[in-house]
Amino acid sequence: NAGVMQNPRHLVRRRGQEARLRCSPMKGHSHVYWYRQLPEEGLKFMVYLQKENIIDESGMPKERFSAEFPKEGPSILRIQQVVRGDSAAYFCASSRDQNTGELFFGEGSRLTVL
Amino acid sequence: KNEVEQSPQNLTAQEGEFITINCSYSVGISALHWLQQHPGGGIVSLFMLSSGKKKHGRLIATINIQEKHSSLHITASHPRDSAVYICAANQGGGSNYKLTFGKGTLLTVNP
Repeated sequence: NAGVMQNPRHLVRRRGQEARLRCSPMKGHSHVYWYRQLPEEGLKFMVYLQKENIIDESGMPKERFSAEFPKEGPSILRIQQVVRGDSAAYFCASSRDQNTGELFFGEGSRLTVL
Repeated sequence: KNEVEQSPQNLTAQEGEFITINCSYSVGISALHWLQQHPGGGIVSLFMLSSGKKKHGRLIATINIQEKHSSLHITASHPRDSAVYICAANQGGGSNYKLTFGKGTLLTVNP
């Protein structure tokens, strides 16, 4: 499968634990984007990364959330000290180009915080 | 108020019917996307358009920039078309990722 791969598909955490969500972009894509879909709400942009660089994190909550896209390996969205309000579906997308490239989305990671 | 509004929120149709989902936006855009999301599933990009009309199989997307309105049509609908259809506006500024998403239209096509 050469598509955008996200794991885990489902993750359950208790309040205060850490959640790590991984995203491997499509082959040949160096631009990765994370979006969050809260229950009963539309998707919202969180962060845009290229290899080893955060380009735009304007949609990311200021505290507890961080993202990285290392030179080797997948992009990781990390949520520390999770709270119930973090329960959502987190989608990753990738593109070949920033300005004109079509976005390809992954299957999403569904986080449930107990 | 969301800058991208979709209607209807829910739509039930019989197999074979012609479906129309509408999207209105209040911001200036460089492109508009239509996405499909199956329950519990991932998101598939159906169309990205900035003017006129695009067709792919039984799906047709149109956009009227002056009226800030887009429609997604499905001809000869089938139960496998049942999904959430999401409209997303690209606010431009040289980026294709800063999308403002609608809340989606849940389409159910009954056999």
